[in-house]
Amino acid sequence: DIQMTQSPSTLSAFVGDRVTITCRASQSISTGVAWFQQKPGKAPKVLIYKASTLQGGVPSRFSGSGSGTEFTLTISSLQPDDFATYYCQQYNSYPVTFGQGTRLEIK
Amino acid sequence: EVQLLESGGGLVQPGGSLRLSCAASGFTFSTYAMNWVRQAPGKGLEWVSSIHGGGTNTFYSDSVKGRFAISRDNSQNTLYLQMNSLRAEDTAVYFCARKGGDSGDYYNWFDPWGQGTLVTVSS
Repeated sequence: DIQMTQSPSTLSAFVGDRVTITCRASQSISTGVAWFQQKPGKAPKVLIYKASTLQGGVPSRFSGSGSGTEFTLTISSLQPDDFATYYCQQYNSYPVTFGQGTRLEIK
Repeated sequence: EVQLLESGGGLVQPGGSLRLSCAASGFTFSTYAMNWVRQAPGKGLEWVSSIHGGGTNTFYSDSVKGRFAISRDNSQNTLYLQMNSLRAEDTAVYFCARKGGDSGDYYNWFDPWGQGTLVTVSS
């Protein structure tokens, strides 16, 4: 099984900051990674798929990069609505696996 | 508009069974892979199972293999998850999710998701 190691588990930042979340895969998965945002009591919402493709309707301050085993989600200028939990997902092969999540908190 | 609506959750005793349903609308259901993902209280996301559009290919996590069965009725646009031999550790909100992007069975990232249904396994 492919493990997705996501870091950090918690991130504190100010509105306007640039932040980066990382996922490392235990083996190469090409660009088969998606990133999700989840707010309390809500379903996850996709932000990025195929490692770097922005889902329609998602603000351009979100971006993804990487291939192989290392992937990043960057938020260029944090907005109040961005404080949430973020997950990566690998879908290159079954079993599908998620990272452990990153809780993004207001500093 | 694509919509997914889960139902069937509730309280069940350990060892019991439950069947979840996910009613889909707004897209050609039979042409998309579908998925179940769960989230235990206060925990992260855990993939449970996936099924190809035609219904013949199914996939399970090790934690539910042999106890859960995914199926679909393409004539009714409905996805199912039959859960047997339930354990306390199966307690979670269960989400159904469609394969994202274009129709098909591969490159199975998840979008959109339903609102989830809570399954509680307790005596």
